[in-house]
Amino acid sequence: DGGITQSPKYLFRKEGQNVTLSCEQNLNHDAMYWYRQDPGQGLRLIYYSQIVNDFQKGDIAEGYSVSREKKESFPLTVTSAQKNPTAFYLCASSIQGSNTEAFFGQGTRLTVV
Amino acid sequence: AQSVAQPEDQVNVAEGNPLTVKCTYSVSGNPYLFWYVQYPNRGLQFLLKYITGDNLVKGSYGFEAEFNKSQTSFHLKKPSALVSDSALYFCAVRDKANYGGSQGNLIFGKGTKLSVKP
Repeated sequence: DGGITQSPKYLFRKEGQNVTLSCEQNLNHDAMYWYRQDPGQGLRLIYYSQIVNDFQKGDIAEGYSVSREKKESFPLTVTSAQKNPTAFYLCASSIQGSNTEAFFGQGTRLTVV
Repeated sequence: AQSVAQPEDQVNVAEGNPLTVKCTYSVSGNPYLFWYVQYPNRGLQFLLKYITGDNLVKGSYGFEAEFNKSQTSFHLKKPSALVSDSALYFCAVRDKANYGGSQGNLIFGKGTKLSVKP
């Protein structure tokens, strides 16, 4: 069953801690993305990767880091430098090409406690 | 810079009535346009896209969208709304001319909440 899987679904973090959100896809997609969703603000791009071992900052990369060591995996680390990390995080993937749609995971809701 | 606007935060319709969710865009080149739907605490599901050709695009679950180049719009429509259509809808645009660079990613609107009442 092909798709894109995010884990965990819910995550709680204490202030000052780093946490890593997992994103795995078995769609053989080259491109992967991380978005942050806040109420009333739509989706904002954090990082994206168009190929293994390469990634680029999106609009709101500060306080986040990523890696792309494997085609299937694009984990996102929310560091202690991110001042307001509570949000819904969405991972997506797509084949290369400007006319291609992205496929999304089910999201991870991160809450700072 | 490319952008997408969804002018309505919420749209309310009665079940069985037609619905329209509005979207306008701004890109420097030719646009690729997309609609997605999101149910509570879930990811986004792709509905349809406009790439080229016929201005009326048909998608999943009976939805369609009309591309209007002169008005730079891509409104989502459905002839007869269902209660189960109630969700958050996102319009997105990609600028073909800038694909591959930092400006070539999908840009999303802020979303429109659709509420369909029985």
